[in-house]
Amino acid sequence: DIVMTQSPDSLAVSLGERATINCKSSQTVLYSSDNKNYLTWYQQKPGQPPKVLIYWASTRESGVPDRFSGSGSGTDFTLTISSLQAEDVAIYYCQQYYNAPYTFGQGTKLEIK
Amino acid sequence: QVQLQQSGPGLVKPSQTLSLTCAISGDSVASKSAAWSWIRQSPSRGLEWLGRTYYRSKWSYDFAPSVKSRITITPDTSKNQFSLHLSSVTPEDTAIYFCARVKPLAGWLDPWGPGTLVTVSS
Repeated sequence: DIVMTQSPDSLAVSLGERATINCKSSQTVLYSSDNKNYLTWYQQKPGQPPKVLIYWASTRESGVPDRFSGSGSGTDFTLTISSLQAEDVAIYYCQQYYNAPYTFGQGTKLEIK
Repeated sequence: QVQLQQSGPGLVKPSQTLSLTCAISGDSVASKSAAWSWIRQSPSRGLEWLGRTYYRSKWSYDFAPSVKSRITITPDTSKNQFSLHLSSVTPEDTAIYFCARVKPLAGWLDPWGPGTLVTVSS
């Protein structure tokens, strides 16, 4: 199984400041035949299921504010929120869909400082 | 717009079988490009993908090694739904269970059902 490890486990950022969350996979999730990274980022708020923010590591889902961006390739990935808003308080997860079993990171809890 | 609606009991006794159903609207369980998954979430295990079913020329299944000996996912084309059956449950199976569609021709999970809290207790 591919192990996904996020850092940090929790993060407190001031409103308007940048938040950066990292995700590392135990093996590559870059599929050579199509040169795509099989990695997605979710946002989960209390009492709700996870919501897709980013897929293919860097493609923003329709309707997601452009302050959210994803980067990275191979085994190392980053989710960046360029200017933190109050509504961004949530837990963020990365997940690989390179192969089954799909696996998730342990989550990063983002709070306001 | 694809929507998923979950149903099933919120309390299961130890050693019994946990059964949940996910009803699909806006897509087909027999879609030849999507797949249909179950995921659970608990404080101790985080988000855990349990398995998936999909139809291409026949029904196929993939399961997480952690539950492979106990899990069944059953598609029902007549009702356009799929079900999770997890046998021999213990308190460690207490979690919020979600169903989700695996995005067609891709792989991320979208949309998700609302979740069902299942408690394993006598």
